[in-house]
Amino acid sequence: RKEVEQDPGPFNVPEGATVAFNCTYSNSASQSFFWYRQDCRKEPKLLMSVYSSGNEDGRFTAQLNRASQYISLLIRDSKLSDSATYLCVVLGSSNTGKLIFGQGTTLQVKP
Amino acid sequence: NAGVTQTPKFQVLKTGQSMTLQCAQDMNHEYMSWYRQDPGMGLRLIHYSVGAGITDQGEVPNGYNVSRSTTEDFPLRLLSAAPSQTSVYFCASTVRGNSPLHFGNGTRLTVT
Repeated sequence: RKEVEQDPGPFNVPEGATVAFNCTYSNSASQSFFWYRQDCRKEPKLLMSVYSSGNEDGRFTAQLNRASQYISLLIRDSKLSDSATYLCVVLGSSNTGKLIFGQGTTLQVKP
Repeated sequence: NAGVTQTPKFQVLKTGQSMTLQCAQDMNHEYMSWYRQDPGMGLRLIHYSVGAGITDQGEVPNGYNVSRSTTEDFPLRLLSAAPSQTSVYFCASTVRGNSPLHFGNGTRLTVT
């Protein structure tokens, strides 16, 4: 089993739609969680950190469920510019900085 | 403040050649790491470092060497390139283990 698993998609949605991605992780001791966004052939960029209490940044909401070992990302009112690959990232151990990436979920927002 | 700088951006090697991918950061980050990304796969950790003089293996270390003689630099060496090492390589750094990563622009390597 992979340490971090995501549905690769693609998710094809119309503009204005709400879309949600889930990501599961296998290490129950994982401590920090992030969502990164990657545009085609570019470096990943941090979208948001995921806190135990959940967090929201504009149209984006991230949630953590430690009991079921998954994190989620909700995008409301999708824009064409949201089209990208969304990477789920989990930190196994804070003293090593070893971040483990999921394979990514591709989102295509259509006009 | 340039962030994380990787060179070269593109490289083509023949099987068996060696080369070094350079990575430098000017943010005084202790943690640095190298990832490779292949089509349909996420980023896989090759090697990482928690500070000058300290390195460790990630998920896919075979065929690669690293060293960390300074805080700023973390070069990745391909000892004898193989076609399986054709990939996009990203270097990243962070101030501490549980902080987000800052990535370089990537090196696109083709081994023929």
